[in-house]
Amino acid sequence: EAGVAQSPRYKIIEKRQSVAFWCNPISGHATLYWYQQILGQGPKLLIQFQNNGVVDDSQLPKDRFSAERLKGVDSTLKIQPAKLEDSAVYLCASSLIRQGAEAFFGQGTRLTVV
Amino acid sequence: AQSVTQPDIHITVSEGASLELRCNYSYGATPYLFWYVQSPGQGLQLLLKYFSGDTLVQGIKGFEAEFKRSQSSFNLRKPSVHWSDAAEYFCAQIRNTGKLIFGQGTTLQVKP
Repeated sequence: EAGVAQSPRYKIIEKRQSVAFWCNPISGHATLYWYQQILGQGPKLLIQFQNNGVVDDSQLPKDRFSAERLKGVDSTLKIQPAKLEDSAVYLCASSLIRQGAEAFFGQGTRLTVV
Repeated sequence: AQSVTQPDIHITVSEGASLELRCNYSYGATPYLFWYVQSPGQGLQLLLKYFSGDTLVQGIKGFEAEFKRSQSSFNLRKPSVHWSDAAEYFCAQIRNTGKLIFGQGTTLQVKP
């Protein structure tokens, strides 16, 4: 079974530029998560989708971050404009809707803002 | 606030020694608890999970964890650590909304 695919793996941008990350979840997984993992910290949930609806985006900095999941499959996370503190690994995960279902993670996108 | 706490930021053990990584959770109704491992440059891999039933759960790579409701803990253990176990370990919990939250992680270093 194919895992969660993310691209790109690495991205370096200057502050105030924009960037987008892409995630393709495991087929059949209705729940999709985006996490931000700053070096030395645990992953912080940015947004959670169920199909193409948002379940939780309470920690998404909405003035600069946006995410969408058109058609309830692939998802993109965008940052515009980027700040130095956005440097982190952005992890995408997916799971079945079933309560307590395990989340499967992609390898992440490492973003460096200079 | 519901949270997951890992008190130890960094642990060093000798190869072959036993290991225990601590985790405390704060949401107590019906906790869905997980341990994930993250090797450098990799995504997170599930080691084990607890939903209900037997409070001692077995996972992959020889790991086990014990759920103790009275202590709000879900500590991860391994009887004999291998050098390849060096990684970052995360305890996580699913809240009632299905939101998966993580502790801050414990970095495990293994001495030869």
